[in-house]
Amino acid sequence: QQQVKQSPQSLIVQKGGISIINCAYENTAFDYFPWYQQFPGKGPALLIAIRPDVSEKKEGRFTISFNKSAKQFSLHIMDSQPGDSATYFCAGGNTGKLIFGQGTTLQVKP
Amino acid sequence: DADVTQTPRNRITKTGKRIMLECSQTKGHDRMYWYRQDPGLGLRLIYYSFDVKDINKGEISDGYSVSRQAQAKFSLSLESAIPNQTALYFCATSGGGQNTGELFFGEGSRLTVL
Repeated sequence: QQQVKQSPQSLIVQKGGISIINCAYENTAFDYFPWYQQFPGKGPALLIAIRPDVSEKKEGRFTISFNKSAKQFSLHIMDSQPGDSATYFCAGGNTGKLIFGQGTTLQVKP
Repeated sequence: DADVTQTPRNRITKTGKRIMLECSQTKGHDRMYWYRQDPGLGLRLIYYSFDVKDINKGEISDGYSVSRQAQAKFSLSLESAIPNQTALYFCATSGGGQNTGELFFGEGSRLTVL
């Protein structure tokens, strides 16, 4: 049973375009929703995170949109750059435990 | 030096062998985790530990065991490895407290079971 479902599995975007990755969760006890970025050969690293008391959080070109009633949240990457090419994971968590989605491999073409 | 160090980084073994993956951290965090990464399945939690005397099963603990030897050390064992345990394994730490948690990952241990 996958508690966090992520889509799409892969995504190709032109440089300067908007990348959008979606996640849906089942566990209403989750109180923390981070996005992690992973480059080849490296471990994932925190990119941006949101708590369910806000509907949007923006950090530079990265924005999380959160819909508590629909139990969905998404990552928007504005003005996507080739350096953003990586694998992205959403997650949901509470009590110090994170459950991750399946991951999205993003390729930004020059 | 990396804050979260995993050894070995790569290991090839045969079915039925016992394997141990080790993790050490210099971040001073109480919480440590083992995740497994498979293509299309993402990161799945195997075991986690909130302090030296605390061990908890994650999503996929069958076939695995762990030992928290000290605050800074958390090892993962496969008592009798099987091919479907071929995967990339990550250790992570977290400071806990109010923060559910930013996890800090090691660079991974790639295990191949033939």
